Amino acid sequence: GDSVTQMEGPVTLSEEAFLTINCTYTATGYPSLFWYVQYPGEGLQLLLKATKADDKGSNKGFEATYRKETTSFHLEKGSVQVSDSAVYFCALSDGGATNKLIFGTGTLLAVQP
Amino acid sequence: NAGVTQTPKFQVLKTGQSMTLQCAQDMNHEYMSWYRQDPGMGLRLIHYSVGAGITDQGEVPNGYNVSRSTTEDFPLRLLSAAPSQTSVYFCASSYNTGVNNEQFFGPGTRLTVL
Repeated sequence: GDSVTQMEGPVTLSEEAFLTINCTYTATGYPSLFWYVQYPGEGLQLLLKATKADDKGSNKGFEATYRKETTSFHLEKGSVQVSDSAVYFCALSDGGATNKLIFGTGTLLAVQP
Repeated sequence: NAGVTQTPKFQVLKTGQSMTLQCAQDMNHEYMSWYRQDPGMGLRLIHYSVGAGITDQGEVPNGYNVSRSTTEDFPLRLLSAAPSQTSVYFCASSYNTGVNNEQFFGPGTRLTVL
């Protein structure tokens, strides 16, 4: 079945460092891809999405490009801030009747001042 | 708007006890769902509903019941809690199905079954 694999954490960076969190997927169809962020004590929030190959999702300085040839959707940010410390989840959906999101295991990002 | 709200935030049960996790949304969303989050496994879909009076099973439905008598509420019932149900539970909602309908998540309920 469909699945998402993302790099294990924790990822620890200094403020203003460059961030990459790797995400690859396996899907039989043409899924839409998402990054969700979970701040401490809160629910998941949609960070960005891409619905077809070569689309780039972006929000709050984060970017991810839907790469069909490498089945990847890596999350990047040029300069992280302490406030970016959170757990990041990569997810896919085939948009079917269940509206199910298939999540990766999450990557904890800790940004130090 | 309060968005998606869940109660309680924390709960400890003994094996065999029953309880209901509450979920409510004030956005007039048709679609609601329940996920559980376990270490090393991401989130998995338990049950979902595409509208009042309509529910269906997700990926891991065993041990859980749901009902959807109103658009706003989607409670999750554990009839006889087991230690394997120790998890963090998230409720989510969206205006409708389809990838262009953003899913909004509640803050979660952390459940421990002893």
